[in-house]
Amino acid sequence: KAGVTQTPRYLIKTRGQQVTLSCSPISGHRSVSWYQQTPGQGLQFLFEYFSETQRNKGNFPGRFSGRQFSNSRSEMNVSTLELGDSALYLCASSLERVSPLHFGNGTRLTVT
Amino acid sequence: ILNVEQSPQSLHVQEGDSTNFTCSFPSSNFYALHWYRWETAKSPEALFVMTLNGDEKKKGRISATLNTKEGYSYLYIKGSQPEDSATYLCAPLYGGSQGNLIFGKGTKLSVKP
Repeated sequence: KAGVTQTPRYLIKTRGQQVTLSCSPISGHRSVSWYQQTPGQGLQFLFEYFSETQRNKGNFPGRFSGRQFSNSRSEMNVSTLELGDSALYLCASSLERVSPLHFGNGTRLTVT
Repeated sequence: ILNVEQSPQSLHVQEGDSTNFTCSFPSSNFYALHWYRWETAKSPEALFVMTLNGDEKKKGRISATLNTKEGYSYLYIKGSQPEDSATYLCAPLYGGSQGNLIFGKGTKLSVKP
């Protein structure tokens, strides 16, 4: 079974630009969650989608948004990038929230 | 904001040592606890999902216990090996099966051969 695939792996953007990250979950997994990791911080929850609906949202500004398609693939968008958005963004899929999360390898975003 | 504490922050042990670390979390509205291992240059890998007070889970040399009443979980590694070197993350789940996982900052374990 293929794992969770995130693209791209690395991204360099300048302040003010926007970016879209993509996540393909494990086949059959309908829940997709997004996390941000910055140095010194734990994994910060961004949002979770289940069957194309946002089920939960973390404490991030509205510049961070996402969506999920009918095939469970998910995208995350960050608009008007700030230097502080530089981070590793991880996507994880699961059957249900009490099921273990399966993480992708992440997208390393650098904002200059 | 729910606070999940993991201690110690880092740990250095010799190969063959047994070790344990702690995850403390608010017990109110608790639903489940996840443990993950995150090796450098890899993605986090699930170890255990625990739900019941008194739960004990085991996977090879790694085991975990859960106390939901007082809000803590212990992770034990017996006879540490260099390949156990990783950051170990705990994440309690609140708000029912559709709630959020709140990750701790992890315990970074280094095992010297």
